[in-house]
Amino acid sequence: AQKVTQAQTEISVVEKEDVTLDCVYETRDTTYYLFWYKQPPSGELVFLIRRNSFDEQNEISGRYSWNFQKSTSSFNFTITASQVVDSAVYFCALSVKKSSGDKLTFGTGTRLAVRP
Amino acid sequence: DTGVSQDPRHKITKRGQNVTFRCDPISEHNRLYWYRQTLGQGPEFLTYFQNEAQLEKSRLLSDRFSAERPKGSFSTLEIQRTEQGDSAMYLCASSLGQRTDTQYFGPGTRLTVL
Repeated sequence: AQKVTQAQTEISVVEKEDVTLDCVYETRDTTYYLFWYKQPPSGELVFLIRRNSFDEQNEISGRYSWNFQKSTSSFNFTITASQVVDSAVYFCALSVKKSSGDKLTFGTGTRLAVRP
Repeated sequence: DTGVSQDPRHKITKRGQNVTFRCDPISEHNRLYWYRQTLGQGPEFLTYFQNEAQLEKSRLLSDRFSAERPKGSFSTLEIQRTEQGDSAMYLCASSLGQRTDTQYFGPGTRLTVL
């Protein structure tokens, strides 16, 4: 069975601070995929990034960066110079490839509040 | 490119009533998923379609729940004899289906059972 843990329930920062959201996953499969989604107050889940288990290269996209470490089963997300518009709930998710499908297993989310 | 759409966005019903939700996936996406999200939790998988075939159902999907995807296009999720515990956000997602693709989510249907 797959499991995703996001230990940080809520984080509050002041605008322009850097913030890191933690994600730890568990799976016995050697091939798996990790995702981050953003859920703003409107409720719609917005896709941010997808990584496969064979690609440990870190990724940067603008103010966003992701650190994937298989040795610690972690896939952490850092927002640099946070902005008020970054306020949302962020979910880390995991999927494995199976013949019956590739459902996502989500963590419980981290609510980020960025204060002006 | 039109995203995933869901209808209605909000539904308030009385306990014991039946409700039906609709999801229109991104065109040419042959995989469609339903998830349920309760307050303060992450989405939980309910069921999955590859074209018109329902390939996986979660144990969360009790006998009162049924989902269909006729002709492999839009999908409906019906809940019969609603209970207060069914109150949640019901999310639909779709993906291309060529491998383990990214799932793109719709805006959700928020159900409140009184």
